[in-house]
Amino acid sequence: GQQVMQIPQYQHVQEGEDFTTYCNSSTTLSNIQWYKQRPGGHPVFLIQLVKSGEVKKQKRLTFQFGEAKKNSSLHITATQTTDVGTYFCAGPRDSSYKLIFGSGTRLLVRP
Amino acid sequence: NAGVTQTPKFQVLKTGQSMTLQCAQDMNHNSMYWYRQDPGMGLRLIYYSASEGTTDKGEVPNGYNVSRLNKREFSLRLESAAPSQTSVYFCASSENSGWGLLNSPLHFGNGTRLTVT
Repeated sequence: GQQVMQIPQYQHVQEGEDFTTYCNSSTTLSNIQWYKQRPGGHPVFLIQLVKSGEVKKQKRLTFQFGEAKKNSSLHITATQTTDVGTYFCAGPRDSSYKLIFGSGTRLLVRP
Repeated sequence: NAGVTQTPKFQVLKTGQSMTLQCAQDMNHNSMYWYRQDPGMGLRLIYYSASEGTTDKGEVPNGYNVSRLNKREFSLRLESAAPSQTSVYFCASSENSGWGLLNSPLHFGNGTRLTVT
């Protein structure tokens, strides 16, 4: 069945360094969503990408949807301690209401 | 406007006991979801309800049942709890447009931390 994989599983960076997480689907996605979960918290929606090759920015965060709509990335420029958390990508399975999450990338930032 | 409310926040069960996790949303959303999250892992879909009156299995439905009581409420029941069901359970809702395709964000509750001994 459809799988959504994320890499890396874990990354520890120095404050001010950049960070990127990659999301890969075994099938074409109609759209992809990104969520952030702070330690001990619940996932919070960040953004949705729909179009092939789409790029969206939110301040220091840049989201990209691949041309084939099978992969996506989240890049954070100049990380801050407030960026700490786990970042998940998620895509609808079989073009339905089932939203399947990737395994997540846990980001730790050294001050 | 409370968003998605889950009760209880914490629960400890013994193997074989049953319980129902409650979830309610006040955003007039059409779709509702139950996920479980195990330590160091992502979220796995247990059941979902695309619209009032419908429910469907997710990735890990075994050992669970659900009821979409009305548009606001979606409960998750464990009939005979097992230690493998120790997890954090999240309920979520989504507006969705009714086109049969998820195209709007999920709003999550704060979670229920369940331990089965």
